[in-house]
Amino acid sequence: EVQLLESGGGLVQSGGSLRLSCAASGFTFSNYAMSWVRQAPGKGLEWVSTISGYGHSTYYADSVRGRFTISRDNSKNTLCLQMSSLRADDTAVYYCAKEGREEAFDYWGQGTQVTVSS
Amino acid sequence: EIVLTQSPGTLSLSPGERATLSCRASQSVTNKYLAWYQQKPGQAPRLLIYGASNRATGIPDRFSGSGSGTDFTLTINRLEPEDFAVYYCQQSGTSPSFTFGPGTTVDIK
Repeated sequence: EVQLLESGGGLVQSGGSLRLSCAASGFTFSNYAMSWVRQAPGKGLEWVSTISGYGHSTYYADSVRGRFTISRDNSKNTLCLQMSSLRADDTAVYYCAKEGREEAFDYWGQGTQVTVSS
Repeated sequence: EIVLTQSPGTLSLSPGERATLSCRASQSVTNKYLAWYQQKPGQAPRLLIYGASNRATGIPDRFSGSGSGTDFTLTINRLEPEDFAVYYCQQSGTSPSFTFGPGTTVDIK
């Protein structure tokens, strides 16, 4: 059974940093690209970042490029998102998601709340 | 960047009725890269349809997807009580960038 479990969320001041983690199990982690998707309170879904299976390629939304860094440790089946220079509009639930067929997100974690106070 | 527009914003229906949700893209989307998700309050999204018309694992056959180019449709036949939720379309045709539509809420009439 595929499981994705995020951690690391919390309350941080504007300009601060936070590191999110996602522990994956139930599939061959290195075979799949992984992504972070966020959802601000009462809003829709926003793609944040994607990393290829072996970590050689990374991609970012314009809204986070230069501030967030995605990484993975395939030996530990762990996906990470290092967030810096956080702003109030980064406040959201952050989901990690596995990329499946036709680049759809076929499995999602339960999400971790990030709140940036100004 | 491809922008996705979903309509209607809210659909009020009764159990047993059919729901027809629309997703329109600002540019043509490669068929294989249009997906639909269902999200209930307090829960993560769940993949329903990938590649515009393929049901994901475990998704009931009352859910179906269709369309091509810039116009896509999610149809839910015979709404069940558990189907009342928010539905999002998503494209990755301009990979490595992904975009989501704003969502359609299906609520009980």
